[in-house]
Amino acid sequence: TQLLEQSPQFLSIQEGENLTVYCNSSSVFSSLQWYRQEPGEGPVLLVTVVTGGEVKKLKRLTFQFGDARKDSSLHITAAQPGDTGLYLCAGKPNTGNQFYFGTGTSLTVIP
Amino acid sequence: EAQVTQNPRYLITVTGKKLTVTCSQNMNHEYMSWYRQDPGLGLRQIYYSMNVEVTDKGDVPEGYKVSRKEKRNFPLILESPSPNQTSLYFCASRPWGLRETQYFGPGTRLLVL
Repeated sequence: TQLLEQSPQFLSIQEGENLTVYCNSSSVFSSLQWYRQEPGEGPVLLVTVVTGGEVKKLKRLTFQFGDARKDSSLHITAAQPGDTGLYLCAGKPNTGNQFYFGTGTSLTVIP
Repeated sequence: EAQVTQNPRYLITVTGKKLTVTCSQNMNHEYMSWYRQDPGLGLRQIYYSMNVEVTDKGDVPEGYKVSRKEKRNFPLILESPSPNQTSLYFCASRPWGLRETQYFGPGTRLLVL
């Protein structure tokens, strides 16, 4: 069983469209991170959120941490082909020192 | 340059032949981890270490060993590899703190025949 469930698993959209990726759990997280991974490389951190309800913006990307710190979303406005990649959420639950990753969302933006 | 290095990057081996994948970081990070990445399963933590001589099991530790004798190094040992350990392996490190970035190595692609 996965502690963090991501949806959708695959997403193929046209350039210029908006999209949202979801990361859900029944557990409370002390912090939650979003990563982007290119083929053949390790994940690269995009953002970390730690406060319930926190919203962070990174250019066209908007990240939100749920009020109860159990879920998060990533919204991309006006997607571009350069946004293509695997998006992963990851977090450390309130108890313990393990990190858990979601299953990932593979995004393809078609020019 | 701040980085996490892994060696080898690619490895083909046979069932039962012991192997070690090395991991080294030059950022003086306390926390180091090993993950494996499989299609449809995402990254799963194998082992992690919070500091020298402190290691703990992650989600999928069976068949793996680790050691943390120095702060910078965190090798992953497969004593008797089996085909179900064929995977893409990542080492990562981070300082301690909620907002701290976790830095990943370039990955080691392992095939066990």
